Amino acid sequence: NAGVTQTPKFRVLKTGQSMTLLCAQDMNHEYMYWYRQDPGMGLRLIHYSVGEGTTAKGEVPDGYNVSRLKKQNFLLGLESAAPSQTSVYFCASSYNTEAFFGQGTRLTVV
Amino acid sequence: DAKTTQPNSMESNEEEPVHLPCNHSTISGTDYIHWYRQLPSQGPEYVIHGLTSNVNNRMASLAIAEDRKSSTLILHRATLRDAAVYYCILLSGNTPLVFGKGTRLSVIA
Repeated sequence: NAGVTQTPKFRVLKTGQSMTLLCAQDMNHEYMYWYRQDPGMGLRLIHYSVGEGTTAKGEVPDGYNVSRLKKQNFLLGLESAAPSQTSVYFCASSYNTEAFFGQGTRLTVV
Repeated sequence: DAKTTQPNSMESNEEEPVHLPCNHSTISGTDYIHWYRQLPSQGPEYVIHGLTSNVNNRMASLAIAEDRKSSTLILHRATLRDAAVYYCILLSGNTPLVFGKGTRLSVIA
């Protein structure tokens, strides 16, 4: 039982490049979330999903897109990366109560 | 949206109890009180949650005021491993899990 797995764990992008972060959960959870955490700051919600095929904007959605085509996967896309998107990205999944988090993806945009 | 207020930081001695307060004066009847913590360089982890009654689990206890406008997370014996940022969050229905600034707990050996 892997829980919540994020891929990749580290990535360096050049400004303007695109990439997709993958979050996979094996707990059959309905809810999935993407957050970013800048150094010394709290977590900010980017996008979330309350079930397969649904997505919704969080606190800081600009510059990101998401998709939830399969219940177990929640993808976060950056179409044109900017240095301001340098951050640690956390994914989480939950079913009403306890949320489980991945170990994070450290993204640097140069 | 119902919001919570927590002290920015607290300090505790190792092996002593810690009481982390949270005010939520605008809580609605359907809001559950959740606590999460984030250890250094890790993702957040669930600690405990409750609605009206006090709750205990292997990690902590949650004491909820009778009017539900405040709650306290209790760590019975703080260890160095408990040094983290603790978040108090209100959740109901389909509201997403949104984090505030939390309380940074330092544990002194």
